[in-house]
Amino acid sequence: DADVTQTPRNRITKTGKRIMLECSQTKGHDRMYWYRQDPGLGLRLIYYSFDVKDINKGEISDGYSVSRQAQAKFSLSLESAIPNQTALYFCATSDLAGGRHTQYFGPGTRLTVL
Amino acid sequence: ELKVEQNPLFLSMQEGKNYTIYCNYSTTSDRLYWYRQDPGKSLESLFVLLSNGAVKQEGRLMASLDTKARLSTLHITAAVHDLSATYFCAVAAGGTSYGKLTFGQGTILTVHP
Repeated sequence: DADVTQTPRNRITKTGKRIMLECSQTKGHDRMYWYRQDPGLGLRLIYYSFDVKDINKGEISDGYSVSRQAQAKFSLSLESAIPNQTALYFCATSDLAGGRHTQYFGPGTRLTVL
Repeated sequence: ELKVEQNPLFLSMQEGKNYTIYCNYSTTSDRLYWYRQDPGKSLESLFVLLSNGAVKQEGRLMASLDTKARLSTLHITAAVHDLSATYFCAVAAGGTSYGKLTFGQGTILTVHP
């Protein structure tokens, strides 16, 4: 079974709709992240959380919100989706083991906003 | 603000040839990561470079880090088709943002016969 899972894997929605993307992990990591990927722009950080009570904005948080329901769960919400939020969204986790802080990525959610 | 730039962004190689992907970053950091992404797939960790002069090798890929020049390289030796993918470097922030990564734009590598 995958260590980092994301649901849904694909979603098509309409402008103005509220949508939630969910991420779960079984790695036992404290740190979780949400990124979006757009062609030619690499990955950009939306929000990150270093533990259940810690939520921080990333580079492009406008239009998004998050919830850290438990150590293993980190959800991303689009309150009112717009077409330029069409992208591939990745959740990632990391921990402090060995000072490496390697981030491990989920399979991604492809979101299309019409 | 930390900026990370990769070049080239597109790389078309013949099998058997060597080439290097460059990753430049704008502010001091002591941790740099290389990831691979196959089309339609997630990101897979390749290397973690934790200090100046660090060199890591896995198969036909070798990564190095020069923190003074703020430069990392990913060298490909005798390319094979299976190396075709997008390669990202990512640089870790320090201070209160410790653990955050800033990614380069990615280099799309195509290896052809």
